[in-house]
Amino acid sequence: QVQLVQSGTEVKKPGASVKVSCQASGYSFSSYSFSWVRQAPGQGLEWMGWISAYNGKTIYAQDFQDRVTLTTDTLTSTAYMELRSLRSDDTAIYYCAREWAYTGYFDYWGQGTLVTVSS
Amino acid sequence: EIVLTQSPGTLSLSPGERASLSCRASQSVSSNYLAWYQQKLGQAPRLLISGASSRATGIPDRFSGSGSGTDFTLTISRLEPEDFAVYYCQQYGSSRTFGQGTKVEIK
Repeated sequence: QVQLVQSGTEVKKPGASVKVSCQASGYSFSSYSFSWVRQAPGQGLEWMGWISAYNGKTIYAQDFQDRVTLTTDTLTSTAYMELRSLRSDDTAIYYCAREWAYTGYFDYWGQGTLVTVSS
Repeated sequence: EIVLTQSPGTLSLSPGERASLSCRASQSVSSNYLAWYQQKLGQAPRLLISGASSRATGIPDRFSGSGSGTDFTLTISRLEPEDFAVYYCQQYGSSRTFGQGTKVEIK
């Protein structure tokens, strides 16, 4: 069965960077893409960007364009999201989500990774 | 950016009742590229509907989606205890944006 397993909780100081991983199993990794979505405490969902696991092409949401980098490693079937220059309002749960090509909707989600930014 | 506004913010209903959730877009959603997700407390969202009306694999037929252009609706025909959750709409016709969510709570 399809599974997306994310890395564990992170606590970072303002100005630092964080890198979250998302290991996929149960399907052909390169046949799909990934989006990353975050959810601040008690808030709604916010799309951050997309990466093709086939060719590494990326599309970033305007609000994150300067601070986020998405990558994939086909050898380990893992997607990564790195967010730089962290601020307190980056405190959120970060989800990876599987997507067919650039269809735009997300059929499987990781369990989420809590990133807390605090001095 | 297309802004999605969901209403009501909270819907208080009893099991067995019908739920109608609204999602209104600030401009027309191309090709009805609209999805609905269910999120329970402490869990990741789950895809219910894509393309405004196509149920995802394994989703019970009490869930249905309808609408076009700027007005979309998720209907749950008879609420089961496990349906009490937060529901989000998402458009993917122009980048991707989510609505702010509708909480369906037990009355």
